[in-house]
Amino acid sequence: GAVVSQHPSRVICKSGTSVKIECRSLDFQATTMFWYRQFPKQSLMLMATSNEGSKATYEQGVEKDKFLINHASLTLSTLTVTSAHPEDSSFYICSLTSGGNNEQFFGPGTRLTVL
Amino acid sequence: QKEVEQNSGPLSVPEGAIASLNCTYSDRVSQSFFWYRQYSGKSPELIMSIYSNGDKEDGRFTAQLNKASQYVSLLIRDSQPSDSATYLCAVSDNYGQNFVFGPGTRLSVLP
Repeated sequence: GAVVSQHPSRVICKSGTSVKIECRSLDFQATTMFWYRQFPKQSLMLMATSNEGSKATYEQGVEKDKFLINHASLTLSTLTVTSAHPEDSSFYICSLTSGGNNEQFFGPGTRLTVL
Repeated sequence: QKEVEQNSGPLSVPEGAIASLNCTYSDRVSQSFFWYRQYSGKSPELIMSIYSNGDKEDGRFTAQLNKASQYVSLLIRDSQPSDSATYLCAVSDNYGQNFVFGPGTRLSVLP
């Protein structure tokens, strides 16, 4: 399967600051990447689909102006949480599909804590 | 709205037993089915994928699919304490779109 990295793995920030999370595909050129959020003891929630060279597609209820996604190359997608607040504290995970069998492979995740 | 349902658990089994995890889905056009394992504090890891009716075996894991009943299951033979995790069922259409995860079943294998 595809190898996906995320940086940083953990970030603590003050309320009102912006945080950028990077998702890299290390061995595959991904035209599409996915961003998920997971609150404690809950399942994954798809936030948006990141498309290389075009605008991301956001799921209903996800504010595109708050969660900025840039997919500028086939190996890098970034998620910026703007003006973060404590309720944005969560586990953010990216993924991509590789090959023709529709399997999704996940990055290791980024744990965001907003004080 | 597409839905994937799983018992939240926890499902507790003794070490060495067979753990049986079940999943139902609502969208009949779903064509691809996946089982992911997620340890606490970690991201999901793909353990099995299945695309046609019947059984698919990989080591101690067997996935079973019944499209007519809209049902997919995962059997774990000779369960080990290291299998203790949350198991997520996921489905998608034939193009890898509309990927939907279930809420997960927490499995606890007791030594």
